[in-house]
Amino acid sequence: DIQMTQSPPSLSASVGDRVTISCRASQSISRFLNWYQHKPGKAPNLLIYAASSLQSGVPSRFSGSGSGTDFTLIISSLQPEDFATYYCQQSYDTPYTFGQGTELEIK
Amino acid sequence: QVQLQESGPGLVKPSQTLSLTCTVSGASITSGSSHWTWIRQPAGKGLEWIGHVYTSGRAYASGTTNYNPSLKSRVTISVDTSKNQFSLTLNSVTAADTAVYYCARGGISWTGGYWYFDLWGRGTLVTVSS
Repeated sequence: DIQMTQSPPSLSASVGDRVTISCRASQSISRFLNWYQHKPGKAPNLLIYAASSLQSGVPSRFSGSGSGTDFTLIISSLQPEDFATYYCQQSYDTPYTFGQGTELEIK
Repeated sequence: QVQLQESGPGLVKPSQTLSLTCTVSGASITSGSSHWTWIRQPAGKGLEWIGHVYTSGRAYASGTTNYNPSLKSRVTISVDTSKNQFSLTLNSVTAADTAVYYCARGGISWTGGYWYFDLWGRGTLVTVSS
């Protein structure tokens, strides 16, 4: 299985901050990398697919980059509704696997 | 607006079978190419892909399944097009199968063939306990 490692596990930030979350794959996955936002009790929400493509309806303050084994999710200016847990996920090969998540908290 | 909703028992006894259904509303389960997927998350742990059933407008390809090898011997995912639903059965459950179970749609990009989960249900908690 392809292992996905996210960092940091948790992050405290303030509204307006620029935030970076990293994700590393245990082998090259080209650009088969997706990012999700998850709030408690709600359905996870796709933010970015194919490493850098913004899902329809997602605010442009979210962006993704990377290829191969190293990927980054950037939130350019944190909004109150962005405090949530973020997951990366590889779709290069089954079994599809997720990172352990990054919990973004209000400072 | 397409929505997914999980349903099924919230409590299952050890060694018995866990059965969940996901109802798709707002679109036909056979429209386009989709991976109808189950994912779970034990408390305090990460997300685990359980498997999917594939549907498309081409009958010969629809119904193909793919399972996580760690669960393959115990899991079945099937689709009922007449009810616009797909289902999960997991046999011989133990406490380790206690988790929030999500159904999701796997969609594919127009270019590049990138799969992603673009629709999710809210999840349903299943507890395995006597």
